[in-house]
Amino acid sequence: GQSLEQPSEVTAVEGAIVQINCTYQTSGFYGLSWYQQHDGGAPTFLSYNALDGLEETGRFSSFLSRSDSYGYLLLQELQMKDSASYFCAVPHTGGFKTIFGAGTRLFVKA
Amino acid sequence: GAVVSQHPSWVICKSGTSVKIECRSLDFQATTMFWYRQFPKQSLMLMATSNEGSKATYEQGVEKDKFLINHASLTLSTLTVTSAHPEDSSFYICSARVTRSGLAEKNEQFFGPGTRLTVL
Repeated sequence: GQSLEQPSEVTAVEGAIVQINCTYQTSGFYGLSWYQQHDGGAPTFLSYNALDGLEETGRFSSFLSRSDSYGYLLLQELQMKDSASYFCAVPHTGGFKTIFGAGTRLFVKA
Repeated sequence: GAVVSQHPSWVICKSGTSVKIECRSLDFQATTMFWYRQFPKQSLMLMATSNEGSKATYEQGVEKDKFLINHASLTLSTLTVTSAHPEDSSFYICSARVTRSGLAEKNEQFFGPGTRLTVL
């Protein structure tokens, strides 16, 4: 089977840096994705790591270590609008459908 | 980018009635769409994979006779919640994975805005 673990909640202040970790167990690995979802809205794609290392996209970066079955999403220069739920996700065995973690609710305080 | 729409955005119905939710890919063709259900403050739970021109593939524990999926064209998948009950109240979201180069390599899925179903 496949499973992903991530913290349920994280709180940080505006302007700070926050890291959301994700560990996974899969029978086959095709990459780790991150999605953002604001309350009442649809998830939106943030990043995808297929290989080890850091991928940077503006204020958001994502890291992957395949040997550790671990990745994280790094959010810099936090803004109030970053308050949302963040999900790590992996393609299901075969690489077709996607399995989501339980999500991490990020609260950004002024 | 790829745009996915859903209709309706919200619906309130009486217990025992059926509700149909439409999911459309607006600027691309989707041979496969996915239907998720999300309860408040919880993760997205995959219900089924909708395949154009063939039967949907349901996840374990999802009743296929209760959640009817039809994918009649390359741009439209429908989910019908039959004989809805209050416990079916949830946020239903569809998504599609664009299979053109670049986006497929990123395993990026595009989600519809979701449909909030409330069964009284």
